[in-house]
Amino acid sequence: NAGVTQTPKFQVLKTGQSMTLQCAQDMNHNSMYWYRQDPGMGLRLIYYSASEGTTDKGEVPNGYNVSRLNKREFSLRLESAAPSQTSVYFCASKTGQGFNEQFFGPGTRLTVL
Amino acid sequence: QKEVEQDPGPLSVPEGAIVSLNCTYSNSAFQYFMWYRQYSRKGPELLMYTYSSGNKEDGRFTAQVDKSSKYISLFIRDSQPSDSATYLCAMSSSSGGSNYKLTFGKGTLLTVNP
Repeated sequence: NAGVTQTPKFQVLKTGQSMTLQCAQDMNHNSMYWYRQDPGMGLRLIYYSASEGTTDKGEVPNGYNVSRLNKREFSLRLESAAPSQTSVYFCASKTGQGFNEQFFGPGTRLTVL
Repeated sequence: QKEVEQDPGPLSVPEGAIVSLNCTYSNSAFQYFMWYRQYSRKGPELLMYTYSSGNKEDGRFTAQVDKSSKYISLFIRDSQPSDSATYLCAMSSSSGGSNYKLTFGKGTLLTVNP
């Protein structure tokens, strides 16, 4: 039982390049989330998927797109990376209904030059 | 004013000290109050959560919620070097369907010195 896994762990991009961050969970959770964490800013929600087939914007969605590929996988895409997107990205998941603990992955450290 | 305010510290204490971490919030709809612990270069992990007002104790950790003051606290007794981490408060309301989105504070970096 690996929990929430993220790939890659580290990535360096040049401005304008694109990439996809991958997230998978093996806990049969319905809901999945993408956050970014910046110094002095805490964790901010980018996008979330309440259930397979649905996605919604969070607090800071501009510059990102997401795909809920199936129940296990939720990817985050940067179409044209900008230095302002340098951050640590965390994926999280939880069971769907009611209040439940969100389980976080280990994070992806992204640097955009 | 941000919905959740948390003093980022850093906070440095000697081993065995009592640590107090706090957050204030402005959204009266928040009903679930959580504390996450994040070790360096790791993802956050849920430490404790409280529903509505009151206290909750788990070993050396006590979470308090005062909804009238919109103020929550986490106390750590007999702090240990292994408690050194960033502590994030998080809050959620039950409105907006079943998503229970979390709003996080900025986190407080705690160092417990041997």
